[in-house]
Formats: sequence, C-alpha cells, structure tokens
Amino acid sequence: QQQVKQSPQSLIVQKGGISIINCAYENTAFDYFPWYQQFPGKGPALLIAIRPDVSEKKEGRFTISFNKSAKQFSLHIMDSQPGDSATYFCAARGGGATNKLIFGTGTLLAVQP
Amino acid sequence: EPEVTQTPSHQVTQMGQEVILRCVPISNHLYFYWYRQILGQKVEFLVSFYNNEISEKSEIFDDQFSVERPDGSNFTLKIRSTKLEDSAMYFCASSAGVNQPQHFGDGTRLSIL
Repeated sequence: QQQVKQSPQSLIVQKGGISIINCAYENTAFDYFPWYQQFPGKGPALLIAIRPDVSEKKEGRFTISFNKSAKQFSLHIMDSQPGDSATYFCAARGGGATNKLIFGTGTLLAVQP
Repeated sequence: EPEVTQTPSHQVTQMGQEVILRCVPISNHLYFYWYRQILGQKVEFLVSFYNNEISEKSEIFDDQFSVERPDGSNFTLKIRSTKLEDSAMYFCASSAGVNQPQHFGDGTRLSIL
C-alpha cells in the first residue's frame, strides 16, 4: 500500500513530441505528489508537484494530470527536447505525521533529435 | 539558487569500516533527510530529522546507522560497520517546512569493498 507504481520503465520520443509518464498509488493518505528529474551523476531535481485537490498543474512545457478517483497521476512533457533526456521519478508524500517521500521506479526518457 | 551540497562525491571503504557522509542543507531549511539509491533501483527513504532529533526512520535505518547535526550547517550520516549491501548513492535532502518541497543534493556514491 506504500508503493507508487510507475510506467513505462523507458521511453523514446522524437523531438517535438509529447512524453507521457504514468504513476499509480493505493494509499489515499498520500497528500503531495512531486515529479523529480535526474541527470546522470546528479541528484533528483524537483520539476513540478501537485496536491490532490487539484486535477491539473502546468509549468511551462510540463503538466501534471491528477485523477484522484483512479489514484493515478501523470507527467506530460510537451514539445520534448533532447535536453529533456533524463530519468524521471514520480513520488508521493505519506501524509499525516510523515514527511517521507515514496518514489516510483523511474522512467528513462530519451528524446531523439 | 541555494542548493544542498554533499561531500565526498565518492567514498570507497572496506567492509566493516565506519563511514561518515556529510551534507550541508539549504541554510534556512529546518527538515533534513537521507535517502539512498542502489544502482538501477528507486530512491528509498532512510531517515528524517527535525529539531535535533529523528522524526521518522525506515526499516533500512537500523542500529548501524546514525545521523547528527554537529553544528549549525552540517548534517551527517554515519554507518558504523559497513556491509557490501550498503553500496549505493546516498542523497541528502532538506525542506523549509514539513509541507514544503524537498531539495536534494547530488549524492555520495558509497562503494564497499
């Protein structure tokens, strides 16, 4: 119940295309859902985040769609660029008294020029 | 932009030896965390720390692990007697508040021989 399931494991997209990464969770106590971007040799960098009272959040080319009833959320990268090539992790915060983040297994995105 | 800094970037240690990983969180942040990432796997929560005490820890964080904030700027993770399975990337993170985003450092790669 503490898991966050992420798919796909890897994704290849052409430059200018839309990249879509999906995550699902079971624990309805989760109260915050960030996405992190990680380049090789670097730590996870916060990209965008959403709370469950909002169905969509957009920041530039990055959009989170959140479906509370389905317990799913997804990251959409519009007009994908080669510089977006990285590993993307979804995460969820435990809610209540816990502040720990539970991460998905990651998606390796390759944007081909 | 303020960032979390970690040292060393790579630590090689013999099995059974003690190791200390160091972190300097963002200066006005109050909550501190350690996570680890075994090669090719997801990021896992180890421990959170607030007001000079552990606020939460995972099953991984057993008696071999300890954390300390020895002064106003550093936050350390000590592993008393390292095991081969402790080989991983260790990430420090910090946040300004309990419901605020967590910002990660670039990690320390720990290699146990």
